[in-house]
Formats: sequence, C-alpha cells, structure tokens
Amino acid sequence: AQTVTQSQPEMSVQEAETVTLSCTYDTSENNYYLFWYKQPPSRQMILVIRQEAYKQQNATENRFSVNFQKAAKSFSLKISDSQLGDTAMYFCAYVINAGGTSYGKLTFGQGTILTVHP
Amino acid sequence: EAGVAQSPRYKIIEKRQSVAFWCNPISGHATLYWYQQILGQGPKLLIQFQNNGVVDDSQLPKDRFSAERLKGVDSTLKIQPAKLEDSAVYLCASSHQDSKNIQYFGAGTRLSVL
Repeated sequence: AQTVTQSQPEMSVQEAETVTLSCTYDTSENNYYLFWYKQPPSRQMILVIRQEAYKQQNATENRFSVNFQKAAKSFSLKISDSQLGDTAMYFCAYVINAGGTSYGKLTFGQGTILTVHP
Repeated sequence: EAGVAQSPRYKIIEKRQSVAFWCNPISGHATLYWYQQILGQGPKLLIQFQNNGVVDDSQLPKDRFSAERLKGVDSTLKIQPAKLEDSAVYLCASSHQDSKNIQYFGAGTRLSVL
C-alpha cells in the first residue's frame, strides 16, 4: 500500500526559532513528487514547498527547506525563523507521475499541528 | 487570478437527507479533484475528473455519493442519503497540465450530519 506517515501529531516552537517536521512515505514508484501543504484554521490548503523525486538537490522556498532522502523515503520540512503566521496543520503528501501531463491523486499523511508561540 | 471556489462553506443536515456541494476550478484547469477530510486526518481522494471524464472514482462510495462535471468546468458532489460518518470537510482542488502536478485547493465545505 502507498502510505505517508507523519509521526509527530503536534509540535510547538518559539517565534524566530527553527523547527523540523518529519515525514516518511512508501511507494514502489520511481517517478513521483513530494509536497508539504499548510492548512490554517480557514481550511484552505496552501502549498508550502515541492520536491521532484528525480532531483537530488533539496528544495528551498524562503524560510522553508526540505531534507529529501530518497533511499530512506524520508522527506522532512525545516522552518527557519518561525513566525506566528506559521501556526497551522502541516501535511506531507506525494503524487505519482502517471506519464505525460497526467497526474493522479495526492496521498496525504495524517498531519502535524504546529503552534508557534510568541 | 481567481482561486478555486466552493460553496457552501458550511452545511448541517440530518442523517438520511441529501446534500450537494459545488466547485468552480481555476479557469483553464482541466483536472478537478474532490477530497474528503475527516477531522484529524489527511484528505482522501473521492473522485478525479479530466475535463468531463472520470479518471479515478475507486474510493467513491457509489451507493450514496455521486459527482458530475458536465461541461468540463464546474462540478457538483452529491450525497444521498447522508450518514453520520459522512461528517467531514469536502475539499475541491484543480490542476493545470502545465502546473507541474501542483493542485490548488478551495476552502472546502464543512458538512455536519446529525
């Protein structure tokens, strides 16, 4: 079965500090993409960062970066200089490249609630 | 650019009643997804459309759920009759063939079945 596991149900961090959220996944496919999405109380799922599995270089997006370990099927998210607005549920997810421009469903983990304290 | 629009934002019904949710994807997005997100869990795909055709509905409880995307643009998801376990947030997402598999989500509809 294709699964995503986020082992930290809840995390907290002080404003301006750094926090890392963990994610492991299991797929037999070789061509896929990994994502971290953020879901604040408004429920809008917002893309934080994206990683292409065939790229070894870790993706970065401003204060957000990932540590992608393909062999270990690990995909952690590091948030630097945490801000109050980072408080949200964070989901790790992947999608299989079905070929060409066709993409299938996102498979999500259970989520990690991150609280940033002032 | 307008985002994915969903309505209503909230719906409360009694079990065995019917309910419908509407989604209007981002203009030009051929692929549309409906996800169900039960409280405390990650979203799970119910159905995926490519234009007006169904790509994947393997997780859709077809005895009570139905969805359509008649003109390849907006979509409706219906539940009839609703059960208590259908209480969840229903998220609609869309993607463009050039968007490199990024899915854009609406704000969802929170359904409470009493």
